Amino acid sequence: AQSVTQPDIHITVSEGASLELRCNYSYGATPYLFWYVQSPGQGLQLLLKYFSGDTLVQGIKGFEAEFKRSQSSFNLRKPSVHWSDAAEYFCASQGAQKLVFGQGTRLTINP
Amino acid sequence: GAVVSQHPSWVICKSGTSVKIECRSLDFQATTMFWYRQFPKQSLMLMATSNEGSKATYEQGVEKDKFLINHASLTLSTLTVTSAHPEDSSFYICSARPRVNSYEQYFGPGTRLTVT
Repeated sequence: AQSVTQPDIHITVSEGASLELRCNYSYGATPYLFWYVQSPGQGLQLLLKYFSGDTLVQGIKGFEAEFKRSQSSFNLRKPSVHWSDAAEYFCASQGAQKLVFGQGTRLTINP
Repeated sequence: GAVVSQHPSWVICKSGTSVKIECRSLDFQATTMFWYRQFPKQSLMLMATSNEGSKATYEQGVEKDKFLINHASLTLSTLTVTSAHPEDSSFYICSARPRVNSYEQYFGPGTRLTVT
């Protein structure tokens, strides 16, 4: 069955530090992968997506993600976080029928 | 482009009443719309998928008689929570897919439902 795992429920980093949020997927074929960000009480904003081609994808707000088939991973990175990056981050995989979300990772930024 | 709106953004209703939530694609036609439910500090759970002009497909465990979905046009889908109870209180998010064979969904801002 299709599934997405985000191992880290909550991550705290200092402003200006680098960030990596982990995501592992389980799907027989090559999945379509997404990262979304959600601020409290808001909907989801697409940060980036991977369908095919270059395994390093660039997104909005300075985020990037790398697709690694051998590790079934699609980790999100940012070289230097800003206080405004504090939010909930969701990794998602589009399978044959539906979009499946990971459990989410809550990012807290220390000043 | 690709903006999805929801109305209302929040609603409070009394137990036993029904409430309707609208989801509109503002600048594109949506062949498929999706309804999700999100509990506090949890992920999104797909409730149902609706295609314009046809009946919605509900996920296992979702009561179709309680959560009525209508996708009457290519820009509007509605979710009606019938005979609402406090346990129906949640954050409801819709999304819209612009065309067949597209793998992108555009999400609305969500509707906070509180049943008292």
